[in-house]
Amino acid sequence: GAGVSQSPSNKVTEKGKDVELRCDPISGHTALYWYRQSLGQGLEFLIYFQGNSAPDKSGLPSDRFSAERTGGSVSTLTIQRTQQEDSAVYLCASSIRYRGGTEAFFGQGTRLTVV
Amino acid sequence: GESVGLHLPTLSVQEGDNSIINCAYSNSASDYFIWYKQESGKGPQFIIDIRSNMDKRQGQRVTVLLNKTVKHLSLQIAATQPGDSAVYFCAERGGSNYKLTFGKGTLLTVNP
Repeated sequence: GAGVSQSPSNKVTEKGKDVELRCDPISGHTALYWYRQSLGQGLEFLIYFQGNSAPDKSGLPSDRFSAERTGGSVSTLTIQRTQQEDSAVYLCASSIRYRGGTEAFFGQGTRLTVV
Repeated sequence: GESVGLHLPTLSVQEGDNSIINCAYSNSASDYFIWYKQESGKGPQFIIDIRSNMDKRQGQRVTVLLNKTVKHLSLQIAATQPGDSAVYFCAERGGSNYKLTFGKGTLLTVNP
């Protein structure tokens, strides 16, 4: 596709259930980021994938959160045993690893509501 | 101003005025910087970028200034319009892994 695609766009889940959020980056982009954004707040870094390097997981808030990136393309963010404080918009971005500098392109996000 | 946790600093301006949004970055080795605009309900979108070998870059109604001495980045918006109301994020790229690090953001409100 032409841009970063995230699915679903909205997800309502019951407390305690597991959820999977999907990100399809721009084709050829080697870098992929996951961010979390609560209403009216800034971007909270979660995880960064860069090519075949070990991912930077320093932003994952707890061991309930995990992410993988299969074949260097599609990424899935999994939240186990969801809690109400997990409610937020989850944003994915991708970019090319390029010395000259290039911006990251964001998807529209997945709005997660835990009830 | 300073933010607490992820709560956003705010800037309120009158339509037609110039706006200046500031960002302090942390990594003196960062070599590339970007400003993003995020409108309500949307993902952040690229506005303008600048490399560390420059101190100023101009776009359409926007100018980015980079002061490496004090690790400060600013975004100037000329003749601010209601459509400029949004959250603005700066981002820096540093380190060998090319990771982009985002600032906390500033909420700009333009009053008609």
